[in-house]
Amino acid sequence: ETGVTQSPTHLIKTRGQQVTLRCSSQSGHNTVSWYQQALGQGPQFIFQYYREEENGRGNFPPRFSGLQFPNYSSELNVNALELDDSALYLCASRIRGALSSGANVLTFGAGSRLTVL
Amino acid sequence: ELKVEQNPLFLSMQEGKNYTIYCNYSTTSDRLYWYRQDPGKSLESLFVLLSNGAVKQEGRLMASLDTKARLSTLHITAAVHDLSATYFCAAGTSGTYKYIFGTGTRLKVLA
Repeated sequence: ETGVTQSPTHLIKTRGQQVTLRCSSQSGHNTVSWYQQALGQGPQFIFQYYREEENGRGNFPPRFSGLQFPNYSSELNVNALELDDSALYLCASRIRGALSSGANVLTFGAGSRLTVL
Repeated sequence: ELKVEQNPLFLSMQEGKNYTIYCNYSTTSDRLYWYRQDPGKSLESLFVLLSNGAVKQEGRLMASLDTKARLSTLHITAAVHDLSATYFCAAGTSGTYKYIFGTGTRLKVLA
């Protein structure tokens, strides 16, 4: 248990469908980041949210969107799914008491593995 | 644009041997992270390096940072099977949680 919880753990969708992935953090930090990890690759930054607003985005199209709620939980939404969206989606936040707090060290959740057929 | 490269991509080594994983980054970054990932699992934070010449050690792993060379290394001493995993370095910048990850080094320690 890392302190960052994601759901669902696995899901299968078909091309063109929409998906919502969820994340919550035990310590309720006010910044959450989302990453996409394709098979055999390093994670790629999708975006981050701070106090319910997106304040940083990687090289992902607008069909990737997110929400952060007042209780610091978060969602990642992907519309019009494509085959290349198949990946592990990781949510990350800073957890109090974790390694070198103050050095922007992220704690990652276990991820949601999305398969698009 | 910040890019991070790791080498080797794959590493198979005998138990008891030493080896080093290299992580190069392309532009200025003021912090460097190392993570471990076991198959099917999430990322586990190992080290964060914040300044030139920083060295951190935990068990058989030691990480160092040379900001002038834009190079970080992860040295493995007397490898054991339990160290088999994929190791990622990531470069970051203060004030943001945007990490740029390398492609990872898949380490297999053979008995």
